[in-house]
Amino acid sequence: NAGVTQTPKFQVLKTGQSMTLQCAQDMNHNSMYWYRQDPGMGLRLIYYSASEGTTDKGEVPNGYNVSRLNKREFSLRLESAAPSQTSVYFCASRPLAGGSHEQYFGPGTRLTVT
Amino acid sequence: KQEVTQIPAALSVPEGENLVLNCSFTDSAIYNLQWFRQDPGKGLTSLLLIQSSQREQTSGRLNASLDKSSGRSTLYIAASQPGDSATYLCAVRHGQAGTALIFGKGTTLSVSS
Repeated sequence: NAGVTQTPKFQVLKTGQSMTLQCAQDMNHNSMYWYRQDPGMGLRLIYYSASEGTTDKGEVPNGYNVSRLNKREFSLRLESAAPSQTSVYFCASRPLAGGSHEQYFGPGTRLTVT
Repeated sequence: KQEVTQIPAALSVPEGENLVLNCSFTDSAIYNLQWFRQDPGKGLTSLLLIQSSQREQTSGRLNASLDKSSGRSTLYIAASQPGDSATYLCAVRHGQAGTALIFGKGTTLSVSS
């Protein structure tokens, strides 16, 4: 099993450009999440999808949109990138019910906006 | 609003020492608590998950405890090794259905040989 995969691993954008970060999981998990990690701020939730067909805002949603394409895939879009969105982005997933409810993380996407 | 605090922010110990990392949270109504390890430039690896009804979990040299009523958790690492050097993150979840984790800022551990 690949677990949670993210593409790309690294990206450099100019201010105003757009891009989509891709995330996929092969564990048949219901819930998926997007976090950003900044020095001194810890991990903060951007958006989440509790189950296929639903999405909700997290702590820092401004400047982002998401799409839960199907049960496996959850993408994060930056419509007009800003330097403040320079960060490391992590996707995560977990089962909605049953098991330990442990959350699994992808390897991250390191984004620089110049 | 739930806040998670980890103390100390950084810790340096010699190899072989036993150590304790601390995590505190302001709202005791949590569903579970999860400890992660993060190596520089890498993603998060789950170490231990404690359900709200549990007092502790063990995995190898790691033992995590939970005192929900006082809003505290500790991660005990026995016989530390240089390979344990990493940032350790504590995170809590409130609800079962799809809610996200709330993270502390982490403790960066350095174990010298």
